[in-house]
Amino acid sequence: EAGVVQSPRYKIIEKKQPVAFWCNPISGHNTLYWYRQNLGQGPELLIRYENEEAVDDSQLPKDRFSAERLKGVDSTLKIQPAELGDSAVYLCASSLDGASPTNEKLFFGSGTQLSVL
Amino acid sequence: RKEVEQDPGPFNVPEGATVAFNCTYSNSASQSFFWYRQDCRKEPKLLMSVYSSGNEDGRFTAQLNRASQYISLLIRDSKLSDSATYLCVVNRGQAGTALIFGKGTTLSVSS
Repeated sequence: EAGVVQSPRYKIIEKKQPVAFWCNPISGHNTLYWYRQNLGQGPELLIRYENEEAVDDSQLPKDRFSAERLKGVDSTLKIQPAELGDSAVYLCASSLDGASPTNEKLFFGSGTQLSVL
Repeated sequence: RKEVEQDPGPFNVPEGATVAFNCTYSNSASQSFFWYRQDCRKEPKLLMSVYSSGNEDGRFTAQLNRASQYISLLIRDSKLSDSATYLCVVNRGQAGTALIFGKGTTLSVSS
């Protein structure tokens, strides 16, 4: 079974440029998360989707970040414009059913390492 | 108070040692608890779920104390391959809410 697929693996951009990350969750997984992880820190939640609906985006910096999950499968996370402080690893994760205590285990993609210069 | 707090690391132990990690969470309504393992420059992977009655998987034992809002992970007979960062994960409240990660505790096992 294919795991969570993210691209690109690495991205280097200059500040003020836009950037986008793509995630394809495990087939059949309804719940999709985007996390940001800084060096030496745990993953920080940005947004969570149940199918195509964003059900928790309270920590997404909406002035520059946006996300979508059209058709409830693939998702993209965009930053425009990027700032130096956005340098981090952006992790996508999916679970079978985030609303079910027995099916909410997360499976992560390899992440996108973003460097903003 | 942070939603999930963990022991600051790093823990440096010799092979064969027993080591315990602690984690506290702030929301008494939380219902789901996990330990994830993250190797250097890799993505987090599920180590084990944590159940109310406590659970064991080989050398790993997880405990939950709801009254104290406290979770623990015990590793017995440490191996070099156990060297990693261990992340405590708790859901935000009632069933179906987001999973929140602690900062992680780094373990280094040496020969």
